Amino acid sequence: IAGITQAPTSQILAAGRRMTLRCTQDMRHNAMYWYRQDLGLGLRLIHYSNTAGTTGKGEVPDGYSVSRANTDDFPLTLASAVPSQTSVYFCASSEEGPEDTQYFGPGTRLTVL
Amino acid sequence: GQNIDQPTEMTATEGAIVQINCTYQTSGFNGLFWYQQHAGEAPTFLSYNVLDGLEEKGRFSSFLSRSKGYSYLLLKELQMKDSASYLCAASDSNYQLIWGAGTKLIIKP
Repeated sequence: IAGITQAPTSQILAAGRRMTLRCTQDMRHNAMYWYRQDLGLGLRLIHYSNTAGTTGKGEVPDGYSVSRANTDDFPLTLASAVPSQTSVYFCASSEEGPEDTQYFGPGTRLTVL
Repeated sequence: GQNIDQPTEMTATEGAIVQINCTYQTSGFNGLFWYQQHAGEAPTFLSYNVLDGLEEKGRFSSFLSRSKGYSYLLLKELQMKDSASYLCAASDSNYQLIWGAGTKLIIKP
């Protein structure tokens, strides 16, 4: 059982390019989340999904979009990357919702030049 | 506004005890999580407090005072592998998590 996987592990991207970060979980969790983590700041929620077919905006959604076509996958897309989106991105899941323990993927380190 | 405060960095000695404090201000409150994050790795769950008091789990214990908006994580018999960042997160009235910036714990031999 892998838990949560993310791809790629790291990426260097030119500004203006489109990029999709992938996230897959095999725990059959209903809720999934995307966070970014920047030095000196707490984890900040970008988007979330409480169940397949639904998504919601978190604290810092601008410049990002998500989809939740099925239970397992929750990709995050940067339509036109900017340098301020340089960060470490974590995907997480929880059994029912944010009141449950969240389990994190290994993260994607993204650098936008 | 919603806010979580915890010290940026702490240093302790192997074998000793350390207490990491966390204060929170949230719109409503449903519980307090502690996560451990080793450098370059993902956060992993340590504890969840809903009621006031101390919950012990092996070498780690977590305390909550809802009236004071305060929690602490107590680590006993420190080991070198405990060197990590410890993240405090409060669940608000909508069950959204408000995360602290984390406390980097350095263990010295």
